[in-house]
Order: sequence, then C-alpha cells, then structure tokens
Amino acid sequence: DIQMTQSPSTLSASVGDRVTITCRASQSISSWLAWYQQKPGKAPNLLIYKASSLESGVPSRFSGSGSGTEFTLSISSLQPDDFATYYCQRYNSFPYTFGQGTKLEIK
Amino acid sequence: EVQLLESGGGLVQPGGSLRLSCAASGFTFSSYAMNWVRQAPGKGLEWVSLISDTGGSIYFADSVKGRFTISRDNSKNTLYLQMNSLRAEDTAVYYCAKVSFGGVSSFDPWGQGILVTVSS
Repeated sequence: DIQMTQSPSTLSASVGDRVTITCRASQSISSWLAWYQQKPGKAPNLLIYKASSLESGVPSRFSGSGSGTEFTLSISSLQPDDFATYYCQRYNSFPYTFGQGTKLEIK
Repeated sequence: EVQLLESGGGLVQPGGSLRLSCAASGFTFSSYAMNWVRQAPGKGLEWVSLISDTGGSIYFADSVKGRFTISRDNSKNTLYLQMNSLRAEDTAVYYCAKVSFGGVSSFDPWGQGILVTVSS
C-alpha cells in the first residue's frame, strides 16, 4: 500500500504567521491528494482537493501545491480559527490512506 | 443543504455485531459513491470502505476485510456498514462521507460521526 507521511506532527505558530505542512507519498500519486481540517469533536472538513484546488467556501489564505510524491499545505496568515489538526489523504487507488495528522497549536 | 446523519453506534462485546446507518439528504444519493472512515480515540483517520453509486463496486481496508460489509439502499437514501466479529481495535468514531465529485474524488461532506465501543 502507498503510505502517506506528514510533517511536522505538531506545529506551534502565532496569529499572522505563514505556515507550511508537508505530506509525502511512498510512490507517485499524481495529483490525487486532498487536505482536511479537523477541530476537536468535529468531523473533518475538506480544504483542498486534487492537490491544489481550493474547495468552495474555504478562505483563500489556504493553498495547496505539489504532485507526484511531495505536497504542501500552506496557510498565508494564520487566524485564530485555523488552530486545528490537518490531514492529507491520497485517493488515487485503494486502499485510500491518510497522513498521521499535523496538530497546529498556538505559540 | 447536504446532510449525512449516522446512527446505530454503541457498546458491543468483542466478537459481536453492529450495523451502522447513514441517512443522506440534500443531494441525489444514487449518483454518488459513499465512504466510511473511522477514527480511534485520540488517533488519526482511517479509511474503511467505499461503495459505488450503484453498489456494484465495493472496496475495503485490509483491517476490516472479511468482517465488515458495506451496502446502500438508494430508494431510502441510506448507507449501511455491517460490522461482524468486532474487536477492541474497532473502537472508534465512524463517519460516513460522500465523494465530492463523480469518479476519483475527495470526500465532502462528512457526517457528524457515531461512536462504536467494543469492550466486555
């Protein structure tokens, strides 16, 4: 199975900072990658699909890039509502797999 | 508005069975594949299963293959997950999730989740 590795596992940042989360696939997945945000006790929410397409209604400070095996999620200017856990997910072939998550904490 | 509402969770003994349901509304249910995803307490997300729009194609994670069955009733706009031979490691919040688009697709939206606890 294709494994997804996210880094870092935890990220401490301040409001207004620009942050980047990385997701690496163990083999090429083209651009079949999504990013989700999850807050405690809530379901995940889709942010980015097909590596770089912004889901409708998601603020433009979120952006995704990459293809093949290396991908990034960037948040240009952190807002208080952005502190959450972020997951990447590949969906090019079965079984689909998620990264282990990155918890974004307030510094 | 698209809504997904899971039900059927609860406490079950190891080796027991449980059937989860996911009631869908706000979209043409019969046109979209559906998924189950789970999250063990304090852990990350694990994809469990996908069923195509017609039910003709089904896929499972290795961890549940042979024990779980996925099905759908398009006349009732409802997705199901039949879980047999349950183990302690199946304890998790189970989410149903619609594919965003037809074909190869991310998941959006997700239901609110339902807790399944496997314990004696």
